[in-house]
Amino acid sequence: SQELEQSPQSLIVQEGKNLTINCTSSKTLYGLYWYKQKYGEGLIFLMMLQKGGEEKSHEKITAKLDEKKQQSSLHITASQPSHAGIYLCGADYSGGSNYKLTFGKGTLLTVNP
Amino acid sequence: DADVTQTPRNRITKTGKRIMLECSQTKGHDRMYWYRQDPGLGLRLIYYSFDVKDINKGEISDGYSVSRQAQAKFSLSLESAIPNQTALYFCATSDTHGRETQYFGPGTRLLVL
Repeated sequence: SQELEQSPQSLIVQEGKNLTINCTSSKTLYGLYWYKQKYGEGLIFLMMLQKGGEEKSHEKITAKLDEKKQQSSLHITASQPSHAGIYLCGADYSGGSNYKLTFGKGTLLTVNP
Repeated sequence: DADVTQTPRNRITKTGKRIMLECSQTKGHDRMYWYRQDPGLGLRLIYYSFDVKDINKGEISDGYSVSRQAQAKFSLSLESAIPNQTALYFCATSDTHGRETQYFGPGTRLLVL
């Protein structure tokens, strides 16, 4: 089974609506990274969460890591067409000085004007 | 100029051919990574390198090899390309001393006929 599950796989919303994307891990996370990808392009870093209960915001995007450090959510408020793309979560399970990320399968977000 | 560059950006090749994808970075990072992305499968780690003398297999290294020619260069080779290696390939780098994020290149789109 997948170590890192993202839901939903795809999401279509009307401009102005709020939405949430979830990332659930089968084991405890040392760090959780959120990225956005425009179709066929590279990944853009959004936020990193490390501490249980941590919450970070950037413009209209808020990410949270639960207390048990096994689930994170990404919330977009008042969505805009510029928010469209693929959102990927990446998990750091190592906790060591040299880390690598395990990625979820991604969530494809479409925002209709 | 981009910090992480990949060449070529697009490549079409035939089954059985040997090809090399190249990655260069100007960020001064020691750590470099190669991923492939397939629709619906997210990013999967092929190989990673924590310094010039350190090469590690990722979760899907079969059929691939890498070379770390210098701190700034990390190449991925397909010794004998096969159609199921058709994918979008990403190179990424990260800082030795921090865990802030990985920085991704723009990707190489590979089609194996």
